[in-house]
Amino acid sequence: GENVEQHPSTLSVQEGDSAVIKCTYSDSASNYFPWYKQELGKRPQLIIDIRSNVGEKKDQRIAVTLNKTAKHFSLHITETQPEDSAVYFCAALLSGTYKYIFGTGTRLKVLA
Amino acid sequence: EAQVTQNPRYLITVTGKKLTVTCSQNMNHEYMSWYRQDPGLGLRQIYYSMNVEVTDKGDVPEGYKVSRKEKRNFPLILESPSPNQTSLYFCASSILQGPYEQYFGPGTRLTVT
Repeated sequence: GENVEQHPSTLSVQEGDSAVIKCTYSDSASNYFPWYKQELGKRPQLIIDIRSNVGEKKDQRIAVTLNKTAKHFSLHITETQPEDSAVYFCAALLSGTYKYIFGTGTRLKVLA
Repeated sequence: EAQVTQNPRYLITVTGKKLTVTCSQNMNHEYMSWYRQDPGLGLRQIYYSMNVEVTDKGDVPEGYKVSRKEKRNFPLILESPSPNQTSLYFCASSILQGPYEQYFGPGTRLTVT
């Protein structure tokens, strides 16, 4: 079946450094790729998303890049802060359906 | 206040005892979905619905049923729960045509003994 691989599973960075999380998807026709942040004990919340007709999207310290040829997309967080510590999930919306496949998550720790 | 609600928030039950987890949204969203979250496995979609009376299987539908009789409600039914259904369950909703941001409910922690 279709899948989304997410790496790394855990990531520790010093406050102020950048963090990058990468996802690879299998369905080449997927056209929508959201990123969700889940703080401890909370529900997932969308932080940024990108559609297949766009290569990059930025929102303040957060950016997402998409490489359709290689079928991978990445989340970039710059100038990390302690409040960025959370689990981040990538996902892909399968083409022709409204079925989502999520990655297995990355636990980001920002060390003060 | 725009929100997705789930009930109950916590449930401990025994194998084979039918249960229903309710999900309701007040945003007039067409799309609703159920996910389960397990350590190391991320979020896995169980079922989703594009509108009233329109549902489809996600990645892990076995052992679950859903119904969408009203636009605002999307209950998840476990007719004969088993211990491997012990998990954290999230309901979510969104507009169907985009933007596709899904709004998640607070989660239901289910334990089946």
